[in-house]
Amino acid sequence: GNSVTQMEGPVTLSEEAFLTINCTYTATGYPSLFWYVQYPGEGLQLLLKATKADDKGSNKGFEATYRKETTSFHLEKGSVQVSDSAVYFCALTPPGNTPLVFGKGTRLSVIA
Amino acid sequence: DTGVSQDPRHKITKRGQNVTFRCDPISEHNRLYWYRQTLGQGPEFLTYFQNEAQLEKSRLLSDRFSAERPKGSFSTLEIQRTEQGDSAMYLCASSTGTGGSYEKLFFGSGTQLSVL
Repeated sequence: GNSVTQMEGPVTLSEEAFLTINCTYTATGYPSLFWYVQYPGEGLQLLLKATKADDKGSNKGFEATYRKETTSFHLEKGSVQVSDSAVYFCALTPPGNTPLVFGKGTRLSVIA
Repeated sequence: DTGVSQDPRHKITKRGQNVTFRCDPISEHNRLYWYRQTLGQGPEFLTYFQNEAQLEKSRLLSDRFSAERPKGSFSTLEIQRTEQGDSAMYLCASSTGTGGSYEKLFFGSGTQLSVL
């Protein structure tokens, strides 16, 4: 089946630290890959996406590269800010336009 | 664009009661999705609509769950004879329906259900 596995949280970092949140997937065919973010008290919102192998999605200083050979889509940011504190969800849609499948989420706390 | 709106934000009910949640998608979005999220888990897909047609409902958790989108605009999710295990955040999302497998979903803030 289709599934997403992401690293357990919570992750606590100091401001300006480097962030990596690991995400690996299992899917039939070549899925599209996404990172969604949920800030406190808000709904989920799309952070970035990649639709084919070697694509790099980027937004707000965050990046993730679609790695077919390792079935991974790790999220990175070079210098986190307190405002990045949120829950981050890795997700995929398999080919065929079926709905998003989410990972369990990783809570990030950034302290000043 | 006022975003996806869900009502109520919170619902507390007693076991065995029926509850209904409403979702108003972004206007002109053809697709509407329902997800459930429990503590420490990612959103779990329940069902979705393309306009008024319900395209997938096999993932609804039991026959106590049903959803409608009668005019292709707002949608309702009903849970009959609620159980304590139904306590969760129920999320609604909408999309244009034209983006294929990489289209962006817009989520509401959810309805938090607590079954006592």
